[in-house]
Amino acid sequence: GESVGLHLPTLSVQEGDNSIINCAYSNSASDYFIWYKQESGKGPQFIIDIRSNMDKRQGQRVTVLLNKTVKHLSLQIAATQPGDSAVYFCAENRDGNQFYFGTGTSLTVIP
Amino acid sequence: DVKVTQSSRYLVKRTGEKVFLECVQDMDHENMFWYRQDPGLGLRLIYFSYDVKMKEKGDIPEGYSVSREKKERFSLILESASTNQTSMYLCASSLYLGGTEAFFGQGTRLTVV
Repeated sequence: GESVGLHLPTLSVQEGDNSIINCAYSNSASDYFIWYKQESGKGPQFIIDIRSNMDKRQGQRVTVLLNKTVKHLSLQIAATQPGDSAVYFCAENRDGNQFYFGTGTSLTVIP
Repeated sequence: DVKVTQSSRYLVKRTGEKVFLECVQDMDHENMFWYRQDPGLGLRLIYFSYDVKMKEKGDIPEGYSVSREKKERFSLILESASTNQTSMYLCASSLYLGGTEAFFGQGTRLTVV
């Protein structure tokens, strides 16, 4: 499954499938990006980050891709599990001081 | 295990009350932040602090003030609570401004009636 930026805030995938969550950022000068996961009733948790001098970064079951040409960021989750159900936010650092967060995508994993 | 702790999970206050939200971090971070989170609007920065007694306005500071008297503690103050301040409030801390991840507390859900 795949979401498209801020216009499709929900995504449902079957357990075991791969998930792709997308995010469009606004400032071509942004140089650092983070994906956060927020489970119900909890604060956001860091998943993975990427700096603008990279196109791709991999973690455990997660990959972040950065396309600076079109100002697009994506989070890929491999073999999605029920515990991955949460809201996922991208955050961009535009001015060196603070992060700007997207509105988030709600991921639901169907057993 | 790093930790950002917010003093309350849930608060209910009356319109016009002065409200204090407290946040403590144990990571010796210089920088601390207060956000509010509303459906469809994501996280919006209210204030941040890059050192003791230093503060900077974020995107939505109106109706709020902050206090940072000690490095580990950052307080958000609603001078006169209003119903439009009903929201989830999230505190965070980071080692560097903008260049490293921020660690978040569990959030305080404030309801103003």
